[in-house]
Amino acid sequence: KNEVEQSPQNLTAQEGEFITINCSYSVGISALHWLQQHPGGGIVSLFMLSSGKKKHGRLIATINIQEKHSSLHITASHPRDSAVYICAVSRGGTASKLTFGTGTRLQVTL
Amino acid sequence: EPEVTQTPSHQVTQMGQEVILRCVPISNHLYFYWYRQILGQKVEFLVSFYNNEISEKSEIFDDQFSVERPDGSNFTLKIRSTKLEDSAMYFCASSATGNEQYFGPGTRLTVT
Repeated sequence: KNEVEQSPQNLTAQEGEFITINCSYSVGISALHWLQQHPGGGIVSLFMLSSGKKKHGRLIATINIQEKHSSLHITASHPRDSAVYICAVSRGGTASKLTFGTGTRLQVTL
Repeated sequence: EPEVTQTPSHQVTQMGQEVILRCVPISNHLYFYWYRQILGQKVEFLVSFYNNEISEKSEIFDDQFSVERPDGSNFTLKIRSTKLEDSAMYFCASSATGNEQYFGPGTRLTVT
């Protein structure tokens, strides 16, 4: 069983739609990370959170530690948001590694 | 803005050959990582490195793999004798605190 599960695997939305991507994890964590992987392969860190909610522009990430669940929301989606969004967890300790989910492929159309 | 760089962007090698993938982490970072992503699969952890030694390694990181920080700026991943199944995108990452990680653009390794 994967330690990090994401849903949906694929998501198509029209420009302007509100998007939610979900992540569940089954282990104790020190932090949850949301990352974006562009079509060319590069990975960019969007959020790192251990409680509550964070907002950056049109992106919002929330986490519920008790339920071991996090969501990434995109408001007013735009075609440039098209990418793979990946949830990953770190479990603490020195140089804590990231354990990745399989990603959600988002396509936003005009 | 400082960024992690990786060279080469694409490496093609024959099975059994040695390859060295190079990374230049962000200059004041102390924690370094290698991950790989086989085409169509999720990103997997290979190894973490701190204070000039390996902090943790995965089952994938067997005796064919090694890491080095040869000169205080570069961070290298060596695969001694490549196999077909080593074909993947290899990502280097660095971190100032061991928490938030910054990723390089990746090296696509193709083993023929």
